[in-house]
Amino acid sequence: ILNVEQSPQSLHVQEGDSTNFTCSFPSSNFYALHWYRWETAKSPEALFVMTLNGDEKKKGRISATLNTKEGYSYLYIKGSQPEDSATYLCAFDQTNAGKSTFGDGTTLTVKP
Amino acid sequence: NAGVMQNPRHLVRRRGQEARLRCSPMKGHSHVYWYRQLPEEGLKFMVYLQKENIIDESGMPKERFSAEFPKEGPSILRIQQVVRGDSAAYFCASSPVPDGQPQHFGDGTRLSIL
Repeated sequence: ILNVEQSPQSLHVQEGDSTNFTCSFPSSNFYALHWYRWETAKSPEALFVMTLNGDEKKKGRISATLNTKEGYSYLYIKGSQPEDSATYLCAFDQTNAGKSTFGDGTTLTVKP
Repeated sequence: NAGVMQNPRHLVRRRGQEARLRCSPMKGHSHVYWYRQLPEEGLKFMVYLQKENIIDESGMPKERFSAEFPKEGPSILRIQQVVRGDSAAYFCASSPVPDGQPQHFGDGTRLSIL
């Protein structure tokens, strides 16, 4: 059983704060790491796919980094806005066989 | 381009009945994944299918659960003789090829067992 852990489980920040959270995954046999954003009453939406050690991806105020040797990825949100409130999921692919193992997510609440 | 379509959105069954959950993948996607979210828990992989083939069912309970993805029509997740513990949200996702591309999710089916 693959262990994909996300921390913290939940996070409350004020509007304008910058924040970050962590996804840990097995450091052996890495294929890809995904970040998804999951708003309440909606379906998860893909944010980033990361495949190479040292990858950095950015989309607006959200960015992510990847360290496959030590088995972690960070997601950063700069200047959080209330609309950033969501659960952020990471998913680990050990091979290209299609199966992703999801973490339990970090739920972010941004207070105006 | 329509996204992943799941129906019904909500399904209520009594203990012992059968539940059928449907998933139509995005156009052009031939890979379908089913996940279950139990109350207060995260997404747990159940099964991965291609057209007419089950590729990985390592997350499926051994009894009462089955899945198919026929040549024509949607993928079906079938739960026979439902019990209270089957109450959960069931999500379907699809992808064009399983080479690390992100999965596209449906809105889920919320199954409630009375």
